[in-house]
Amino acid sequence: GENVEQHPSTLSVQEGDSAVIKCTYSDSASNYFPWYKQELGKRPQLIIDIRSNVGEKKDQRIAVTLNKTAKHFSLHITETQPEDSAVYFCAATNFGNEKLTFGTGTRLTIIP
Amino acid sequence: DVKVTQSSRYLVKRTGEKVFLECVQDMDHENMFWYRQDPGLGLRLIYFSYDVKMKEKGDIPEGYSVSREKKERFSLILESASTNQTSMYLCASSLEGAGGTEAFFGQGTRLTVV
Repeated sequence: GENVEQHPSTLSVQEGDSAVIKCTYSDSASNYFPWYKQELGKRPQLIIDIRSNVGEKKDQRIAVTLNKTAKHFSLHITETQPEDSAVYFCAATNFGNEKLTFGTGTRLTIIP
Repeated sequence: DVKVTQSSRYLVKRTGEKVFLECVQDMDHENMFWYRQDPGLGLRLIYFSYDVKMKEKGDIPEGYSVSREKKERFSLILESASTNQTSMYLCASSLEGAGGTEAFFGQGTRLTVV
């Protein structure tokens, strides 16, 4: 089955600096890679996603890159703000049965 | 606006009890998932279902079963609750298609087994 590894587990960044979270996946049948943000006490919510036929996608201050050959994808947050503090999860979805497998999460703290 | 609703926010059960966690979605989604969330372990998939009466084991199905008799409802059953099943349980649903779409989560059920 799919195995998604995520690093780092915790990340502290000065406000205004950039943050990068990296994930690798094992199943070449995965073709959809979403990122979720979970604020304290709340449910995870999708912030950005990418499909395997695309190498990069941007949405304002966040971007995701995908290297299908190496089976890794990354989340980039620029000009970080205090409201970016949260736990971020990467995930991979199997094309055949749409099984959604998550990484272990990264706790991002933005230091004012 | 997609709504995924879990029947309880907090639940306390005794060891050995049979426990039912209910999840209902109102957007006609084909896929439904049950995860447990533990610190440092992320979201681990217990079971998922891609259609009524269809289910597949996730990564940690031991000690759990599921039921999907209607499209909108996906139930997680702990046959005989144990203390190591104390956790936050999250239900999610997604529309089928294109090899994956956005998953919408319920608010979570914090289960404590004593």
